[in-house]
Amino acid sequence: EDQVTQSPEALRLQEGESSSLNCSYTVSGLRGLFWYRQDPGKGPEFLFTLYSAGEEKEKERLKATLTKKESFLHITAPKPEDSATYLCAVQAPNTGNQFYFGTGTSLTVIP
Amino acid sequence: DTGVSQDPRHKITKRGQNVTFRCDPISEHNRLYWYRQTLGQGPEFLTYFQNEAQLEKSRLLSDRFSAERPKGSFSTLEIQRTEQGDSAMYLCASSLDPQPQHFGDGTRLSIL
Repeated sequence: EDQVTQSPEALRLQEGESSSLNCSYTVSGLRGLFWYRQDPGKGPEFLFTLYSAGEEKEKERLKATLTKKESFLHITAPKPEDSATYLCAVQAPNTGNQFYFGTGTSLTVIP
Repeated sequence: DTGVSQDPRHKITKRGQNVTFRCDPISEHNRLYWYRQTLGQGPEFLTYFQNEAQLEKSRLLSDRFSAERPKGSFSTLEIQRTEQGDSAMYLCASSLDPQPQHFGDGTRLSIL
């Protein structure tokens, strides 16, 4: 059973066209939900940690939110340099306290 | 902060050969993790160390895989008798619990 599901698998946006990426999870006792950005041929780069429902974090054009069942990564007025794969991961007692990653959303921002 | 360093960045080997990868974590981090990532997938947890102790191993880590972290500093991941299915990116991450994990850029393994 998948514990983390990300949607959509791929997203193409025009520069300046805002949108949201979704990460839904089924683990109980969430210790943390993490968002990472991954560029081709590189390791994931940490973006945000969210710990409890209602929490929000912002960084430049990105804003992450968390509910009891899902997290959203909102991208406001994206630029071509925001093109990357965005991964979310959860940490919970039934994941052995390790990170369980989703398969990611591949974002392409067209100039 | 020099980040997590992995060596080599690329490794090409023939099926049946043994390979070893090295990871140097961020110096003050006490936890070190190994993951495997294949194309179009998220990283899959393999194992982790707290200081020099290997505390958890995934069932993905077959008997052909072994990891060490002598003296709680750098770590090595060895794969014996490589198989085609071992082709992947092997990622190392480190953290100072409970802070988030920081990843290196990985070692890409290609099995001929």
